[in-house]
Amino acid sequence: EAGVAQSPRYKIIEKRQSVAFWCNPISGHATLYWYQQILGQGPKLLIQFQNNGVVDDSQLPKDRFSAERLKGVDSTLKIQPAKLEDSAVYLCASSPRLAGGGYNEQFFGPGTRLTVL
Amino acid sequence: GNSVTQMEGPVTLSEEAFLTINCTYTATGYPSLFWYVQYPGEGLQLLLKATKADDKGSNKGFEATYRKETTSFHLEKGSVQVSDSAVYFCALSDGGSQGNLIFGKGTKLSVKP
Repeated sequence: EAGVAQSPRYKIIEKRQSVAFWCNPISGHATLYWYQQILGQGPKLLIQFQNNGVVDDSQLPKDRFSAERLKGVDSTLKIQPAKLEDSAVYLCASSPRLAGGGYNEQFFGPGTRLTVL
Repeated sequence: GNSVTQMEGPVTLSEEAFLTINCTYTATGYPSLFWYVQYPGEGLQLLLKATKADDKGSNKGFEATYRKETTSFHLEKGSVQVSDSAVYFCALSDGGSQGNLIFGKGTKLSVKP
């Protein structure tokens, strides 16, 4: 079974530029998550989708971050404009269980390491 | 709110030493508990899990027991190997309407030959 795919693996941009990350979850997984992992910290949830609808985006900085999951499969996360503090690894994860199903095992992609200069 | 606290790292051990990484949590209700591992250059992988009190999760020689009375889920391994060098994250899922994962800050383990 193929895992969660993410691209690009690395990205370096100047502050105020825009950047987009792509995620393809495990086939059939209804729930998709984007996390931000700043160096030295644990991942922090940015947004959660269930199929193509947003379940939780309470921690997404909506003035600069946006995400979509068209057709309920792959997803893109965009930052516009980027700030220095956005330097982090952006992780995508998917889960076979719908939110509200209790125990929730998530499968993670390799992440995209973003450096903002 | 819900939170996870892990022991500070980094932890450096010699091969075949005993490992303990402490993890305590704060949560309402009855969360599920997880240990994830992140090897250098890779994404997070689920190492083990426990979904109710007194459950013991185990995998690859690692164990952790869900202790409700002490709100803990400490990770242990009797004899570490160099290949165990990685960052270990304790996490909980409250199983609520979102079932989101809340992670600790991670503990970096380095095992020397």
